[in-house]
Amino acid sequence: DGGITQSPKYLFRKEGQNVTLSCEQNLNHDAMYWYRQDPGQGLRLIYYSQIVNDFQKGDIAEGYSVSREKKESFPLTVTSAQKNPTAFYLCASSIGGRRLANYGYTFGSGTRLTVV
Amino acid sequence: KQEVTQIPAALSVPEGENLVLNCSFTDSAIYNLQWFRQDPGKGLTSLLLIQSSQREQTSGRLNASLDKSSGRSTLYIAASQPGDSATYLCSGNGGSNYKLTFGKGTLLTVNP
Repeated sequence: DGGITQSPKYLFRKEGQNVTLSCEQNLNHDAMYWYRQDPGQGLRLIYYSQIVNDFQKGDIAEGYSVSREKKESFPLTVTSAQKNPTAFYLCASSIGGRRLANYGYTFGSGTRLTVV
Repeated sequence: KQEVTQIPAALSVPEGENLVLNCSFTDSAIYNLQWFRQDPGKGLTSLLLIQSSQREQTSGRLNASLDKSSGRSTLYIAASQPGDSATYLCSGNGGSNYKLTFGKGTLLTVNP
């Protein structure tokens, strides 16, 4: 079955540590996204990538970095510069381009990151 | 900048009741609108996608409509069941970009 796999499901980060969240899709989608979800704030876009080797900052990119070396993979690194990283992180993908209107977005099951 | 508002923030109903969840957006230049369901601690599951040229979509007991002129979408759930209890999220994207803008969601509780 096609879908998006996020790992790990739970992640604990110590102060000053960088951590990387994995997102892999086998849907052959061109575009991939990272959202952050906090209680009472809804989902906010961190980074997005429309094609391989290209990505753009979203609304809250500070303290995060991404790479898009392969079409199926879009890892997110939470750096020590992110002062409040505890949140639920969701990865999504879409076909992209004009075809986006026909198929919408598909989301992964999320990674819960906690600072200890 | 597109903003999406969902009303009510929370809703509790008895099993079997028909209900409507509301979503409003500030920019009528919305390309498509997608309703999602989220269970506690889980990812988002797509329920219905209304494409740019459409006004409504139906799937089983769910019906979603989109009125661009008024900037509103509604999700109608017929004969609600306890298994429908979840947070329902409305999202839309403008035609010039790929980004989805989300509302904060409606927390639905269906009591047996």
